[in-house]
Amino acid sequence: AQTVTQSQPEMSVQEAETVTLSCTYDTSESDYYLFWYKQPPSRQMILVIRQEAYKQQNATENRFSVNFQKAAKSFSLKISDSQLGDAAMYFCAYRRPAGGTSYGKLTFGQGTILTVHP
Amino acid sequence: EAQVTQNPRYLITVTGKKLTVTCSQNMNHEYMSWYRQDPGLGLRQIYYSMNVEVTDKGDVPEGYKVSRKEKRNFPLILESPSPNQTSLYFCASSLSQGHNEQFFGPGTRLTVL
Repeated sequence: AQTVTQSQPEMSVQEAETVTLSCTYDTSESDYYLFWYKQPPSRQMILVIRQEAYKQQNATENRFSVNFQKAAKSFSLKISDSQLGDAAMYFCAYRRPAGGTSYGKLTFGQGTILTVHP
Repeated sequence: EAQVTQNPRYLITVTGKKLTVTCSQNMNHEYMSWYRQDPGLGLRQIYYSMNVEVTDKGDVPEGYKVSRKEKRNFPLILESPSPNQTSLYFCASSLSQGHNEQFFGPGTRLTVL
């Protein structure tokens, strides 16, 4: 079974600085999808960024970028120029490729609480 | 506005009293899913549905039931709730099982006393 591990229960960053959140996963599949979700105090789950495993290029979305290391099964999220609105719980998630049962399922990590200091 | 709605948003109940959490989406999505979120465990899938009348168990289905009689609705039923089902519940939907974008509802905070 696939597992996703976020080893940092909490992280903090100064406003305008850069922070990196870690995520590792375990899978025997060669093709899959990885996601980072943000959960602010409102509890809404917001998709931040996604990465297809077959793509070597790291995904970026404005201030958010990932460092995808397929061989190491590592998928970290870098937030540049941190803003107060970035404060939230962040979840890393894995989805297996198409085909077979349960491939729509997202497998989530434990979450990392990010605090942004002014 | 395209969205996934859940009701109620908050619920406090007692052990054994049957309850239903509703989930509805207005995007004509085929795939719908229920997750529960617990501290230190992230979100775990309870049940999912690939289309009308097609449902299957996720990772933690014990104590839950679902139905999918209409494409837009996917209610979560707790026939006899227990305190270990106290959790934050999310409904999610996507265009198809393999589609990358899953849309989440706002969450339902359930407390079982």
